[in-house]
Amino acid sequence: EPEVTQTPSHQVTQMGQEVILRCVPISNHLYFYWYRQILGQKVEFLVSFYNNEISEKSEIFDDQFSVERPDGSNFTLKIRSTKLEDSAMYFCASGTGMSGANVLTFGAGSRLTVL
Amino acid sequence: DAKTTQPTSMDCAEGRAANLPCNHSTISGNEYVYWYRQIHSQGPQYIIHGLKNNETNEMASLIITEDRKSSTLILPHATLRDTAVYYCIVRGNQAGTALIFGKGTTLSVSS
Repeated sequence: EPEVTQTPSHQVTQMGQEVILRCVPISNHLYFYWYRQILGQKVEFLVSFYNNEISEKSEIFDDQFSVERPDGSNFTLKIRSTKLEDSAMYFCASGTGMSGANVLTFGAGSRLTVL
Repeated sequence: DAKTTQPTSMDCAEGRAANLPCNHSTISGNEYVYWYRQIHSQGPQYIIHGLKNNETNEMASLIITEDRKSSTLILPHATLRDTAVYYCIVRGNQAGTALIFGKGTTLSVSS
């Protein structure tokens, strides 16, 4: 069964450092998403991406975040200057985008720890 | 998207059916009901979705009331591995619309 692959599985970084989280969506999917989950809290939507541009974003997705699809397979989330409160699990997801039947497939997540 | 209401937690004995309710009284005509689950800290996993009719797949059944204001996810023979947080999400049919997760129902299956 097709999977969404995320790397790294765990990253530890110092506050103020830049972090890039990588995702390989399912190959025939057109919509890509990033979510985060702070420990003990609910899964929060960050951003969706379609046709090489952001299609939707939440209030959380501020100027310190950016997304990119640098080639035909990878989808990345960059956090420019990490803060302690950025510590969380980050989930990538992809979907076909079909109206009404857009089932999202999630990756296993990347755990980010900011010290 | 319409708001959903789910119980915070439920218990189920292994081998018995788990019936997880969801209220979505403000659902509109073009909104689907989706169910996902999250086992421990893994990525959310799709279970099933429906618009009006009841649906069944290899994982579960989805029963939607005739007025569409509520639904029930049924796991016919719950196992310990079904212990997870279950999310009921109502979502419009516009292509690519993001899923917005609530707090869900924590289902605990015990032997």
